[in-house]
Amino acid sequence: GESVGLHLPTLSVQEGDNSIINCAYSNSASDYFIWYKQESGKGPQFIIDIRSNMDKRQGQRVTVLLNKTVKHLSLQIAATQPGDSAVYFCAENRAGTASKLTFGTGTRLQVTL
Amino acid sequence: GAGVSQSPSNKVTEKGKDVELRCDPISGHTALYWYRQSLGQGLEFLIYFQGNSAPDKSGLPSDRFSAERTGGSVSTLTIQRTQQEDSAVYLCASSLTGGTASNQPQHFGDGTRLSIL
Repeated sequence: GESVGLHLPTLSVQEGDNSIINCAYSNSASDYFIWYKQESGKGPQFIIDIRSNMDKRQGQRVTVLLNKTVKHLSLQIAATQPGDSAVYFCAENRAGTASKLTFGTGTRLQVTL
Repeated sequence: GAGVSQSPSNKVTEKGKDVELRCDPISGHTALYWYRQSLGQGLEFLIYFQGNSAPDKSGLPSDRFSAERTGGSVSTLTIQRTQQEDSAVYLCASSLTGGTASNQPQHFGDGTRLSIL
């Protein structure tokens, strides 16, 4: 069935290195994408979003890339810090679904010292 | 500023009891959403409110689940005759506007962890 999924369930990165978290989506009609960070016992925290008319968007230490041709989304975190350790979710809004988000299953980012 | 507030943060109840979960959205946010997150899983959409109306209830798993929103603000999610499979974290989110063309980020509360014994 249609889904938003992640290639890697766990990603281990050394402090100071860059992290790349990937996400594949299956619905070409999706027009809005969001990355969330979730720490243990907390709700998802908004990181960055991107609309389908864009290929790239940058925030503070984070960049989201959208490749509509292959329906792929990635989150890049520069100079990864221990505080970046969390589970990261991508989510999509499928056009015509009144802002309902469909979430992937998540990738755990572990930052090693 | 204040974020989305949910209460209680934890709820333990016996199978068969009714529970009410509360969500206070960010002030001024017209759209409100409920999601459910089972252990180690992604988030599952339950219901969406625009103002006090719920144009999308498609995610409610059964007729034991209901939700309302009053005054365009506070929302309650009610689960009647709880079952063990209802155990999960129930998350509420709000966004400034809703609808198909809004593309506004949803901001989440920390959820209510519901455990059914």
